[in-house]
Amino acid sequence: KAGVTQTPRYLIKTRGQQVTLSCSPISGHRSVSWYQQTPGQGLQFLFEYFSETQRNKGNFPGRFSGRQFSNSRSEMNVSTLELGDSALYLCASSPLAGGGRTDTQYFGPGTRLTVL
Amino acid sequence: QKEVEQNSGPLSVPEGAIASLNCTYSDRGSQSFFWYRQYSGKSPELIMSIYSNGDKEDGRFTAQLNKASQYVSLLIRDSQPSDSATYLCAVNLSQRGNKLTFGTGTQLKVEL
Repeated sequence: KAGVTQTPRYLIKTRGQQVTLSCSPISGHRSVSWYQQTPGQGLQFLFEYFSETQRNKGNFPGRFSGRQFSNSRSEMNVSTLELGDSALYLCASSPLAGGGRTDTQYFGPGTRLTVL
Repeated sequence: QKEVEQNSGPLSVPEGAIASLNCTYSDRGSQSFFWYRQYSGKSPELIMSIYSNGDKEDGRFTAQLNKASQYVSLLIRDSQPSDSATYLCAVNLSQRGNKLTFGTGTQLKVEL
């Protein structure tokens, strides 16, 4: 089975621009989560989508948004980019509904975003 | 208090030794616990998941969970230089869905 794929792998933007990142989960996986990783804050949860609905949300401003399509593919959008948004953005997928004995999450390679 | 805490290390062990990595968490209602390994410049790779108190073994890896003490650990037996990486402890804080909270990670160095 192919793993989680993310596109693009690298991105350079300037402050004020917006960006859209894409994630294709492992075939059959229905839950997609997004994480931000920075040297200072570590790995932080952004949000989770399941059946095209946002099911969990982290503590990020509204500039960060996402959506999920009927084929479980997901996109994440960041508007009005700030320098502090420079990070590795990771997508993870899991097959089951989760909660309680949640199923494991498998990470994609990430998108490295640099904001100048 | 951070929700998931780990010593940042580095933890240095000689090749062939047992490496012991520890993690504590604050939410007593947490049900699911994970260990990920992350090499520099790469994404996290799942090593173990554990849901019940006690030990869970997979090859050279053993995860231990003690919910009463809110403590999770990972033992790596016969450590190899290829085990040198950052080990991330993660706890699912959501009762409905996936919402992993990660520790800051422990850097492990296995020396020849």
